[in-house]
Amino acid sequence: KAGVTQTPRYLIKTRGQQVTLSCSPISGHRSVSWYQQTPGQGLQFLFEYFSETQRNKGNFPGRFSGRQFSNSRSEMNVSTLELGDSALYLCASSPDRANSPLHFGNGTRLTVT
Amino acid sequence: GESVGLHLPTLSVQEGDNSIINCAYSNSASDYFIWYKQESGKGPQFIIDIRSNMDKRQGQRVTVLLNKTVKHLSLQIAATQPGDSAVYFCAENMILTGGGNKLTFGTGTQLKVEL
Repeated sequence: KAGVTQTPRYLIKTRGQQVTLSCSPISGHRSVSWYQQTPGQGLQFLFEYFSETQRNKGNFPGRFSGRQFSNSRSEMNVSTLELGDSALYLCASSPDRANSPLHFGNGTRLTVT
Repeated sequence: GESVGLHLPTLSVQEGDNSIINCAYSNSASDYFIWYKQESGKGPQFIIDIRSNMDKRQGQRVTVLLNKTVKHLSLQIAATQPGDSAVYFCAENMILTGGGNKLTFGTGTQLKVEL
C-alpha cells in the first residue's frame, strides 16, 4: 500500500502571500489530520477532516483552513503568510477506528521570507 | 524577540547496547499511546502502540512499558543499530467529542548511536 503523499515537498513564499498544500491519504483511510512542526513548538495539531467535514480543530488562527474531497484527499491553505508560519506541515491519515495510529507523510517544508 | 527552539534531550548509546527512551504524559484519561520515530527530512514513522489496559507490549527489537500510576511511558530498543538514530516521540491519543482522534506529542528525544 502506498503511504501518505504530500506535495509539494518544499515551498518558499513571501509574507502576505497564500499557500495551498496537498495530501493524499493511504487508500481506504477516511480521516486526515494536519500538524505543524516547528523547533519552537514541536508538533501541534491543526485540524482533522472526515467525510469532507472538518471534525476537529486546534488552536490556530482562521488564516489556517483546509478541506477534504470525496476521495479523502485533503488540502490545507494558509492565507496572509507570516514569518512565523515557516514550518514543516505534516499530514496524517487513519482508518478512523478506535486505537488506530496515525500514519504520517513526509511533510511540506514551508519557508516564509 | 529571539525564538528559542525546544531543547531536545539527547541519548547517546553504543551500537549493540540497549536504549531506553522515557516520556511523561499529561492526561490521566488518555487510553492509547504511540511511539514514533522521525528521521531527518521525513515524517514521523509509527513504531509501536499500547492501550491503557496493558502495561507492556513487545514488537521486533522494541518494547513499550506503560506506568499509568505515574503517567510514564518508556520505549526500549534492543541491540541498537546505527539505523535507529533519529528523534523519538511519544504521543498520547485523545478521543475528541466530535469523533476522531487528536495526538498530543512529547518534545522528543534525539537518539544517537555511536559506532
